Amino acid sequence: ETGVTQSPTHLIKTRGQQVTLRCSSQSGHNTVSWYQQALGQGPQFIFQYYREEENGRGNFPPRFSGLQFPNYSSELNVNALELDDSALYLCASSLVPSSDEQYFGPGTRLTVT
Amino acid sequence: RKEVEQDPGPFNVPEGATVAFNCTYSNSASQSFFWYRQDCRKEPKLLMSVYSSGNEDGRFTAQLNRASQYISLLIRDSKLSDSATYLCVAYSGTYKYIFGTGTRLKVLA
Repeated sequence: ETGVTQSPTHLIKTRGQQVTLRCSSQSGHNTVSWYQQALGQGPQFIFQYYREEENGRGNFPPRFSGLQFPNYSSELNVNALELDDSALYLCASSLVPSSDEQYFGPGTRLTVT
Repeated sequence: RKEVEQDPGPFNVPEGATVAFNCTYSNSASQSFFWYRQDCRKEPKLLMSVYSSGNEDGRFTAQLNRASQYISLLIRDSKLSDSATYLCVAYSGTYKYIFGTGTRLKVLA
């Protein structure tokens, strides 16, 4: 296993609600990236955190936000949930931002009804 | 046009067959390439990196053609346990890790 953990495993929310997903990176990894994977699609990059700051962002609206803590763990927050936010949310950790190797956690499956 | 494109399949092959997947990428600045394997409802797991010289890991061979901007994955002597979705990834610098939509493989007994 990669040592990357995510919680919760599954989550059901209703449209308009807010959700927080959590990720603990692999030991020694200071960079965390978040991805959204809709059914039948590849993972889409949401953003990356390094040293507690957002280091890069994909094409996602501001209602997707994040945090990184001093121990390198991270949160993904999504406000005003929409039905299309239903997806598998994956967290990946890497040694440094420029590392081309990432290790994925098991994901959180979010269903928005 | 998507930055990384794959044939979604499914590829249905008998046990023992050889199967090949291709993946094309549009960003010529892409530096590194990878194949990931993803089982149903699980996270992607790194299968192998892809080098310009080609590389082999047991029954798996990956090749990169920079001139034509495609990478390939060859699986020999397919096993039932190879059934999964294979994701192609192009990396073009810090956080620019672009996945294809994946190719589904089903190995039949």
